[in-house]
Amino acid sequence: QQQVKQSPQSLIVQKGGISIINCAYENTAFDYFPWYQQFPGKGPALLIAIRPDVSEKKEGRFTISFNKSAKQFSLHIMDSQPGDSATYFCAATSNYQLIWGAGTKLIIKP
Amino acid sequence: EAQVTQNPRYLITVTGKKLTVTCSQNMNHEYMSWYRQDPGLGLRQIYYSMNVEVTDKGDVPEGYKVSRKEKRNFPLILESPSPNQTSLYFCASSPKGANQPQHFGDGTRLSIL
Repeated sequence: QQQVKQSPQSLIVQKGGISIINCAYENTAFDYFPWYQQFPGKGPALLIAIRPDVSEKKEGRFTISFNKSAKQFSLHIMDSQPGDSATYFCAATSNYQLIWGAGTKLIIKP
Repeated sequence: EAQVTQNPRYLITVTGKKLTVTCSQNMNHEYMSWYRQDPGLGLRQIYYSMNVEVTDKGDVPEGYKVSRKEKRNFPLILESPSPNQTSLYFCASSPKGANQPQHFGDGTRLSIL
């Protein structure tokens, strides 16, 4: 019930394309779903987050789509750029414990 | 500059030799947390603290201890390190809890031989 399953494990996208990463959860008590971006040698940094009272949140080229009934959420990166190459983690929490997906290594080819 | 500072950044040590990884934040955050990151497993929470003198176990607390005597500091203690604790460790903080943006340190890479 505590797991967050993330896919794909790795993803290669051409510059200018759309990158899509998916996550699924089981615990219906989760009420905060962040996405973190991590570059080599650095700690994760919050990219965008959503709460379950909305189905979509957009910040610049980054969009979270949230499907409460399916218990799934996804990150869409529009017009992907080489600088977006990083590892992306989804996560979920209900209060003090943050449960993480296994991560997706994204490579944007120039 | 708002930051979470971890020390040391790298450490190679031997089984059974007690070690402490320090973590300090300058944002007056109430919530602090420790994670370990292993390939293919993402990040897993070790311990977290809701405020001074209030701590609780995460998903993988075995072999670790923490304390929160001051708001800014949250050290991670390995009393008798073992090779299966070789990992990349991150400290993070947020204003109130895990359901708010967390600020992460740059990590501590521990190798236990």
